[in-house]
Amino acid sequence: NAGVTQTPKFQVLKTGQSMTLQCAQDMNHEYMSWYRQDPGMGLRLIHYSVGAGITDQGEVPNGYNVSRSTTEDFPLRLLSAAPSQTSVYFCASSYVDTQYFGPGTRLTVL
Amino acid sequence: GENVEQHPSTLSVQEGDSAVIKCTYSDSASNYFPWYKQELGKRPQLIIDIRSNVGEKKDQRIAVTLNKTAKHFSLHITETQPEDSAVYFCAARIGGGYQKVTFGTGTKLQVIP
Repeated sequence: NAGVTQTPKFQVLKTGQSMTLQCAQDMNHEYMSWYRQDPGMGLRLIHYSVGAGITDQGEVPNGYNVSRSTTEDFPLRLLSAAPSQTSVYFCASSYVDTQYFGPGTRLTVL
Repeated sequence: GENVEQHPSTLSVQEGDSAVIKCTYSDSASNYFPWYKQELGKRPQLIIDIRSNVGEKKDQRIAVTLNKTAKHFSLHITETQPEDSAVYFCAARIGGGYQKVTFGTGTKLQVIP
């Protein structure tokens, strides 16, 4: 099992550009989440999904969209990148309690 | 919503000493409390968790205690080793199934050889 994978590992964007962060898991987990991690602020929930076709907002959803067309994939879309979205992004999946995190994507918005 | 506070933000201990990290939560309905360890440049990984029907749980050198009345829980690491150096996050979750997990702001632990 690869577990939770994320691509790309690093990305630099210019303000106003859009992009999609990819996340995939091969553990057949129902639950998937996207977090952003900023210095001194822990992990903050952006969006989450409780199954294919079902998504909901977390704590900091503005500027991001998600979809869940399959159990395996949960992409995060930045619609119009802003410098405030410079962060490390982690995807996570879980069956019941334990969350398994992906390796993260370090995003810089200039 | 749930609010989780974590202290201290940084902690330095001598190798072999114990380290204690404390967290408080706001919502009395929270019933699941995981702890994650994140090494520099790596992903967070679960190291131990506790549910609200248990007061203490141990796993080798790591233990977690929970005081539901006071709404606080703590991570205890005994006989610290340099490889324990990392950032530790506490978290709290309300309810079962998938419910939102709220994380603390993290504690950077440095174990001095």
